[in-house]
Amino acid sequence: EIVMTQSPATLSVSPGEGATLSCRASQSVSAYVAWYQQKPGQVPKLLIYEASTRATGIPTRFSGIGSGTEFTLTITSLQSEDFAVYYCQQYNRWPPTFGQGTKVEIK
Amino acid sequence: EVQLLESGGDLVQPGGSLRLSCAASGFSFNNYAVTWVRQAPGKGLEWVATITGSGSDTYYADSAQGRFTISRDNSKNTLFLQMSSLRVEDTAMYYCTKCVQASGWCYFDYWGQGTLLTVSS
Repeated sequence: EIVMTQSPATLSVSPGEGATLSCRASQSVSAYVAWYQQKPGQVPKLLIYEASTRATGIPTRFSGIGSGTEFTLTITSLQSEDFAVYYCQQYNRWPPTFGQGTKVEIK
Repeated sequence: EVQLLESGGDLVQPGGSLRLSCAASGFSFNNYAVTWVRQAPGKGLEWVATITGSGSDTYYADSAQGRFTISRDNSKNTLFLQMSSLRVEDTAMYYCTKCVQASGWCYFDYWGQGTLLTVSS
């Protein structure tokens, strides 16, 4: 199975600053990567699909880029509601696999 | 509005069985694959099983193969997960998710609130 490795495990950021989260696939997944946000006690929420397309209603401060094995989620000017755990997921090959998550915490 | 409402989670002894359900609304249920994704306490997300819109094809994670059965009743817009030979490591929140298929597989655009399975003696 394809292993998705996210880094860093934890990212400490001050409100208003930007954050860059990385996700690496163990083999090429083309552009078939999605990103999800999960706030404490809440359900995961789709942010990005096909590496760079924002899901409906997702603010423009969230952006994704990448193809092949390297993917990045960027959050510009973090708001209080953005502090959460972020997961990447590949859906190019069976089985679909998730990264272990990056926690974005308040610095 | 798409809604997915899981039910059936419970405390079960190791070796026991349980059936989870997910009632779907707000979309053409029979046109979409649906999936169970689980999350152990304090851990990440793990895909468990997927069933196609017609129900003709099912797919399982290795951890679920042979013990879990995913099924659906399109007349009732309901998804099921029959689980048997339960293990402590099956303890998790189980989410019902709607698939958007691309490249042969899918990402998950809607998630239910989850139902909690605890396997413990």
